Amino acid sequence: KAGVTQTPRYLIKTRGQQVTLSCSPISGHRSVSWYQQTPGQGLQFLFEYFSETQRNKGNFPGRFSGRQFSNSRSEMNVSTLELGDSALYLCASSLEQVGPQDTQYFGPGTRLTVL
Amino acid sequence: AQSVTQLGSHVSVSEGALVLLRCNYSSSVPPYLFWYVQYPNQGLQLLLKYTTGATLVKGINGFEAEFKKSETSFHLTKPSAHMSDAAEYFCAVSGPSGGYNKLIFGAGTRLAVHP
Repeated sequence: KAGVTQTPRYLIKTRGQQVTLSCSPISGHRSVSWYQQTPGQGLQFLFEYFSETQRNKGNFPGRFSGRQFSNSRSEMNVSTLELGDSALYLCASSLEQVGPQDTQYFGPGTRLTVL
Repeated sequence: AQSVTQLGSHVSVSEGALVLLRCNYSSSVPPYLFWYVQYPNQGLQLLLKYTTGATLVKGINGFEAEFKKSETSFHLTKPSAHMSDAAEYFCAVSGPSGGYNKLIFGAGTRLAVHP
């Protein structure tokens, strides 16, 4: 079974632009979560989607948004990019995540560089 | 609020030596605890997790961790280090208060293994 895939793997943008990152979960998984990883702040939870609905969100500004499609694929969008948005963005999928017995599987991430 | 503290941002051991990576958590409710490993340019891989039941948890690649409620700790150990264990290790917590899908990560410990 294929793992979680994220596209693109690397991205370079300039300040003020917007960016869209894509995540395809493992087949059959319906929950998709997004995390930001930076050297300064570490790994931080952005949001989680289940059945096309945002079910949980972290403490990020409204410039960070996401959505999920009927096939469980998810996208996250960052508008008006800032230098501090440079990070590795990780996507994780799980079956339904209604309890800790449901394991989150992570993709390889998208490395975003903002110049 | 839940939080995780990993003692030691860098740990260096000799091949064949004991690996001990420390993790302490803070949670007002019974936590669910996880250890993930990240190899360079890759996503996170689950090593092991504690939800309920037996406090000594065995994971992949010979790693294990013990949940000690009285010490609010969940330290990761491996009896004999291998060169392939060199990576960054993250302890994480989740729970019903924040959402099972919302992992709160520690800052990470980079493990170096030398011959």
